Parts: sequence; structure tokens; C-alpha cells
Amino acid sequence: DIQMTQSPSSLSASVGDRVTITCRASQSISGYLNWYQQKPGKAPKLLIYAASSLHSGVPSRFSGSGSGTDFTLTISSLQPEDFAPYYCQQSYSSPVTFGQGTNLEIK
Amino acid sequence: QVQLQESGPGLVKPSETLSLTCAVSGGSITSYYWSWIRQPPGKRLEWIGYIYYSGNTNYNPSLKSRATISVDTSKNQFSLKLSSVTAADTAVYYCATYDSTGIFEYWGQGTLITVSS
Repeated sequence: DIQMTQSPSSLSASVGDRVTITCRASQSISGYLNWYQQKPGKAPKLLIYAASSLHSGVPSRFSGSGSGTDFTLTISSLQPEDFAPYYCQQSYSSPVTFGQGTNLEIK
Repeated sequence: QVQLQESGPGLVKPSETLSLTCAVSGGSITSYYWSWIRQPPGKRLEWIGYIYYSGNTNYNPSLKSRATISVDTSKNQFSLKLSSVTAADTAVYYCATYDSTGIFEYWGQGTLITVSS
């Protein structure tokens, strides 16, 4: 199985900050990397697919980049509603696997 | 817009079989792969498997053949059975769409399944 490792596991930031979350795959996954946001008690919500494509309806302050084994999710200017856990997911090979999550907290 | 709704027992005894159903509305059962994902308390999401409307399935080997996913096109729903459950199977179970690009786009709200005697 392809292991997905996110860093940091937890991140404290303030409204208006620019933050970057990293996801690393245990082997090359080309660009088959997706990002999700999960509000407490809710299902994950797709933000970015294919490493850098913004899903419909997602604010443009979210962006993704990377290929191969290293990927990043960037939020350009944090809004109050952005404080939540974030997960990466690879779809390069079966079984699909997720990162352990990055908990974005208010400083 | 596709909407998904899980239903299930909430509590299952160890060694028994967990059964969940996901009702699909707002979209055709022929349009996606239909997937189950779970999230144990405080842990990462784990993909369980998916089914296509034709009946083709793919499962996560970590479940050691305990999972069975089926689809009922006449009722626009699909189901999960997980046999020989233990406390380690306690989790929030989600149903979700899965497409050919590898994304889970639409999700149910999730249902907490607790395995306990």
C-alpha cells in the first residue's frame, strides 16, 4: 500500500495568515492526489483534485501543487471557516489511502 | 446534486455482521462507483471498497475478505456487510461516490457504528 504522510499534524495560525500543509507519498503517485477538508461531525469535503485543480465552489484562496511524491495545500489568507482538519488522499493505486490529517487550529 | 444517506444499527455485538445501507438520490446509480469509507475515532480515513452498478467490486485487502458490497439498482441503493466485527471496527462509516479520476465527490453524513457487547 502507498503510505501518505502529512506534515505538520497540527498547525496553529491566525485569520489572514498564509498556511501550507505538506503531503508526502511513500512512492511516486504522479499527480493523483486529492485534498479534503473535514468540519467536526461532518463528512469530508473535496477541495482540490489531481494535485492542483480546484473543485467547483471551493474558494480561490485554496490551491494545491506538487507531483511525484511531494504535494502541498496552501490557503492564501485564512478565514474563520477554514479552521478544520485537512486530509490528502492518493488515487494512483489500489487501495486508495489517506494521510493522517493536519488539524488547523486558531492561534 | 447527488445526495447520500446511510442507515444502520448503531450498535453491533462482537463477532456479528455489521450491515449498512446507503440510499442514493439526485443522481443515477449508473453514474459512479459507490464506495464505503470509515473513520475510527481519532484516526485517519480508511477506504473499505467500492462497487459499480454492474456489480464489479474492489476491496481494501486490509479487511481480509470480511467486507461485501452490493448494489440494488431498483431501489437506488447500495449496501455494506462486514463480518466478524471486533472493537477495532468501531468507526463512523461513510458512503460516497468514487469516480474514474479517483475522487470522492459526494458523501453521506456518516453513521457511527459501535462494536460492543
